[in-house]
Amino acid sequence: DAGVIQSPRHEVTEMGQEVTLRCKPISGHDYLFWYRQTMMRGLELLIYFNNNVPIDDSGMPEDRFSAKMPNASFSTLKIQPSEPRDSAVYFCASSFWQGKTEAFFGQGTRLTVV
Amino acid sequence: GENVEQHPSTLSVQEGDSAVIKCTYSDSASNYFPWYKQELGKGPQLIIDIRSNVGEKKDQRIAVTLNKTAKHFSLHITETQPEDSAVYFCAASNRDDKIIFGKGTRLHILP
Repeated sequence: DAGVIQSPRHEVTEMGQEVTLRCKPISGHDYLFWYRQTMMRGLELLIYFNNNVPIDDSGMPEDRFSAKMPNASFSTLKIQPSEPRDSAVYFCASSFWQGKTEAFFGQGTRLTVV
Repeated sequence: GENVEQHPSTLSVQEGDSAVIKCTYSDSASNYFPWYKQELGKGPQLIIDIRSNVGEKKDQRIAVTLNKTAKHFSLHITETQPEDSAVYFCAASNRDDKIIFGKGTRLHILP
C-alpha cells in the first residue's frame, strides 16, 4: 500500500475562494481523521469518521468547514469561503480497529490563503 | 473532553545524552498513549505506544513510562543521535477513540 495519500501538497488561494483538500486512506482502515497543524495550536483534531460515517466533528472551527467521506477510499475537507486564518498544514490520517492502534498520516497539504 | 499537556516545548540535548519529554492527560478513561515523531515536511509517524495496562515499554533507545494514578506519561530517548532531531508529539486516545495530541516538543541534538 502506498500509505495515506493527500492532494494537493500545496495550495495557495485567495481569500473568499473555495478550497477542497483530498485524502485516500490506507485500504482496510476503518477510521479516518482530519487534523490541522499550526505553530500556535499544534495538531488539532477537526473531525473523524468510522466506516465512512462522521463520528465527531466538534473540532471543526466553524460552518465554513465541511468534510465528507462518500466511500471507504476517499474523503474531502472543504473550506468555503476561505480566510487567511485558515492557513495551516492539514493532515489526513487513517487507522485500523477503533483508533487504538497506529494512525498513519499523509504528507499533509500546506494551505496558504492570501 | 480529553486534554493533553506536553513539556517542554523546546529541548536541546548534547549528542549522546538523554532526552526526556513529559505529558499529562485529563481523561482517566484514556487507555492508549502513542508517541509520534515528525520530521520536516512530513506527517507524524508513530515511534512507540503504550496501553494503560502496562507501566513501561522499551524499544532500543526509546522508552515510555505511564503513571495512571498521576495521569502522567513520559518519553525517554537515550544515547541521542543527530537523526533524533525532530518534533515529538505525545497523544492520548480516550473512550471515544479520538486521538488528542499534545502541542509538541522540538528536540535539537547538539553536536
